[in-house]
Amino acid sequence: DGGITQSPKYLFRKEGQNVTLSCEQNLNHDAMYWYRQDPGQGLRLIYYSHIVNDFQKGDIAEGYSVSREKKESFPLTVTSAQKNPTAFYLCASIGRTTITNEKLFFGSGTQLSVL
Amino acid sequence: QKEVEQDPGPLSVPEGAIVSLNCTYSNSAFQYFMWYRQYSRKGPELLMYTYSSGNKEDGRFTAQVDKSSKYISLFIRDSQPSDSATYLCASLNRDDKIIFGKGTRLHILP
Repeated sequence: DGGITQSPKYLFRKEGQNVTLSCEQNLNHDAMYWYRQDPGQGLRLIYYSHIVNDFQKGDIAEGYSVSREKKESFPLTVTSAQKNPTAFYLCASIGRTTITNEKLFFGSGTQLSVL
Repeated sequence: QKEVEQDPGPLSVPEGAIVSLNCTYSNSAFQYFMWYRQYSRKGPELLMYTYSSGNKEDGRFTAQVDKSSKYISLFIRDSQPSDSATYLCASLNRDDKIIFGKGTRLHILP
């Protein structure tokens, strides 16, 4: 079945450590997004990418980095510069060619916690 | 002013009642509107999407958009305990950037 796969489901980070969250989609979607969700904060956009080898900062990009080397993959690295990384991270994708008929699909999320 | 505003709730209604969930948006460039349902610690799932002003119905759900007042609504008829979740509204602007409201927590009381 087509969809978005996020891994791992749970991730723990030690002080000063970089960690990478995986997001893979087999929907042939061009655009991919990373959101962070905190209780009472809703979804906040970290980074997004509309095409391979190109990406833009969202509203809260500081302390995060991404890459888009393949259409199917959009990994997010939470760097040691992100001082409050504990949150639920959601990856999403959408097709662009027929935007009015396409839908934004989400992965199942990764819960990141600090040890 | 936030681009998409949504009352966080919680909203509690008895089973069988009609639920009305609402959002406002500030940017006239928003042209595509979506409602998502999210159960605790799960990814949001798309319920409804609409491109234009007016109503769109799908089973017990009706999405309504009023672009003149920048107001979007989701109505749930014959509400059931399984509808208890957080409901997120979202808008897509011309730069393909999707902006979410904070979500409204809904409790359907048996």
